[in-house]
Amino acid sequence: DAMVIQNPRYQVTQFGKPVTLSCSQTLNHNVMYWYQQKSSQAPKLLFHYYDKDFNNEADTPDNFQSRRPNTSFCFLDIRSPGLGDAAMYLCATSRGLGGDTEAFFGQGTRLTVV
Amino acid sequence: GNSVTQMEGPVTLSEEAFLTINCTYTATGYPSLFWYVQYPGEGLQLLLKATKADDKGSNKGFEATYRKETTSFHLEKGSVQVSDSAVYFCALYNAGNNRKLIWGLGTSLAVNP
Repeated sequence: DAMVIQNPRYQVTQFGKPVTLSCSQTLNHNVMYWYQQKSSQAPKLLFHYYDKDFNNEADTPDNFQSRRPNTSFCFLDIRSPGLGDAAMYLCATSRGLGGDTEAFFGQGTRLTVV
Repeated sequence: GNSVTQMEGPVTLSEEAFLTINCTYTATGYPSLFWYVQYPGEGLQLLLKATKADDKGSNKGFEATYRKETTSFHLEKGSVQVSDSAVYFCALYNAGNNRKLIWGLGTSLAVNP
């Protein structure tokens, strides 16, 4: 049973057209993360929520925003996608932020910008 | 600062061969160490972890031992299978580093029948 679900698996959007990626979880975890992963690279953390507290990484472009309306759902909004934003976007959850806390990942959404 | 260095891939092995993927780290204090696996087209899954020195994490025949003296967390498996073909990421978590995972660049493994 999938515990972290990302929709859609594949998303094609036009250059400059806003796009939203969604993530839901059935684990009731406090923390939800969004990562960007480009081909053959490590995941890059964009931001995370601890409950309702939003934590943005210093180098995340303003073009990327996030919303967490409730515990189960988290959205990634890209306001004006550029060609360089084409990537796999991974959502993850964890119970907390402790060092032994496992992160659970969704299958990812592969974004193509045309 | 904190960082993770993994051996570069791709690694290509025959089925039943022995696998080692090297991982070394730089960190202050006592980080937790992880190996994640990413199968083609999928998200990441935790493979194993170790939270203190000399701990050995193990899962699905894979093992890694947290060696503080050599700042290493090498991944090993005695006999790989075709189904182990994936990208393997070493990562560390250090509570003093904004409480986030620091990732290695990943090592691609291809196992041939």
